[in-house]
Amino acid sequence: DADVTQTPRNRITKTGKRIMLECSQTKGHDRMYWYRQDPGLGLRLIYYSFDVKDINKGEISDGYSVSRQAQAKFSLSLESAIPNQTALYFCATGQPNQETQYFGPGTRLLVL
Amino acid sequence: KQEVTQIPAALSVPEGENLVLNCSFTDSAIYNLQWFRQDPGKGLTSLLLIQSSQREQTSGRLNASLDKSSGRSTLYIAASQPGDSATYLCAVSKITGGGNKLTFGTGTQLKVEL
Repeated sequence: DADVTQTPRNRITKTGKRIMLECSQTKGHDRMYWYRQDPGLGLRLIYYSFDVKDINKGEISDGYSVSRQAQAKFSLSLESAIPNQTALYFCATGQPNQETQYFGPGTRLLVL
Repeated sequence: KQEVTQIPAALSVPEGENLVLNCSFTDSAIYNLQWFRQDPGKGLTSLLLIQSSQREQTSGRLNASLDKSSGRSTLYIAASQPGDSATYLCAVSKITGGGNKLTFGTGTQLKVEL
């Protein structure tokens, strides 16, 4: 079984709709991250969390919110989706004493 | 602001060739540099991590070098195979008040043909 899972894997929604992307991990890591990937722009950090209830803004947090109610889960919400939020979204985990991050398989989101 | 550039954006080679992927970054005050592999539908996998004090790291057919002063890293793949086909991303990290922050390049899409 995968250590970092994301649901859904693919999602099509309409402008103005609220959607939530879920991330779960079985690695026991304290740190969790949400990134988005756009063609030609690489991965950019949206939000990150170092512990339950800890929330920090990343490079591009506008239009997004997150929730970390449990160590193993970190959810990303788009309160009112817009077409330029169409992207591939990745969740990742890490530990303070480790220098790499472990990525989920990604969620492909299309906002019409 | 750190900017990470990867050249070329795409590369197609015949099986068996040795190849080099390039990564450059603008701020040399990095903590480490990593090379990731991205496969469709499978997320990113870390291949090699080079500390800022190191010059290179090797794993199997892969060798990554780091020249921090010039802001460059290369990923050398020896005797390429079709299974090496993927997108390769480099990422530099910096320790900030918010922890270890990764800045990613835009990637090189590699195709190894039979």
